[in-house]
Amino acid sequence: EAGVAQSPRYKIIEKRQSVAFWCNPISGHATLYWYQQILGQGPKLLIQFQNNGVVDDSQLPKDRFSAERLKGVDSTLKIQPAKLEDSAVYLCASSLEGTPSTPLHFGNGTRLTVT
Amino acid sequence: TQLLEQSPQFLSIQEGENLTVYCNSSSVFSSLQWYRQEPGEGPVLLVTVVTGGEVKKLKRLTFQFGDARKDSSLHITAAQPGDTGLYLCAGVGSNDYKLSFGAGTTVTVRA
Repeated sequence: EAGVAQSPRYKIIEKRQSVAFWCNPISGHATLYWYQQILGQGPKLLIQFQNNGVVDDSQLPKDRFSAERLKGVDSTLKIQPAKLEDSAVYLCASSLEGTPSTPLHFGNGTRLTVT
Repeated sequence: TQLLEQSPQFLSIQEGENLTVYCNSSSVFSSLQWYRQEPGEGPVLLVTVVTGGEVKKLKRLTFQFGDARKDSSLHITAAQPGDTGLYLCAGVGSNDYKLSFGAGTTVTVRA
């Protein structure tokens, strides 16, 4: 089966600019996650979708981050305006079910550098 | 959110040696997962442990879940350069039922 697709692979922007990331999950996976992985740290959940509804966005900085999954398949994550501390790898993951113990399938991530 | 501490942070060994990495917490987990992440890629699930005291083997990798379900270890026998990567543990809290990741152990196996 095809894996989780993410684009772009790399992005360099200046602070206060905006940026968007795209994710296409594994076909049939109802649950989609966006994680932020800062260098030297483990992935931190930003938002979880079940189909096109938000299940958990408690750790999403909503003043600058937004995400949508309008048709319950692809998803985009946007940052506007970006800050230096947003430099990280943004990982998208999907799973067949939304239970926490269900294995996650990760994409290769988008590495964002904010200068 | 549960705090998972992984140790050591970095580990560099020669091919053929054994290694053990640890994942510890003061919280109880209903299940715990181990992932390996290679540079430029996303984490890949290795194993899920559910029962306290459970031991699972995956070729040269042995995973153990503590009796109290607060800690776990990963032991690699006769490490190979292909074992190089960031090993992440992730636990599902028994109270909030949320998945939290540790910071990982970076393992380098030299040929």
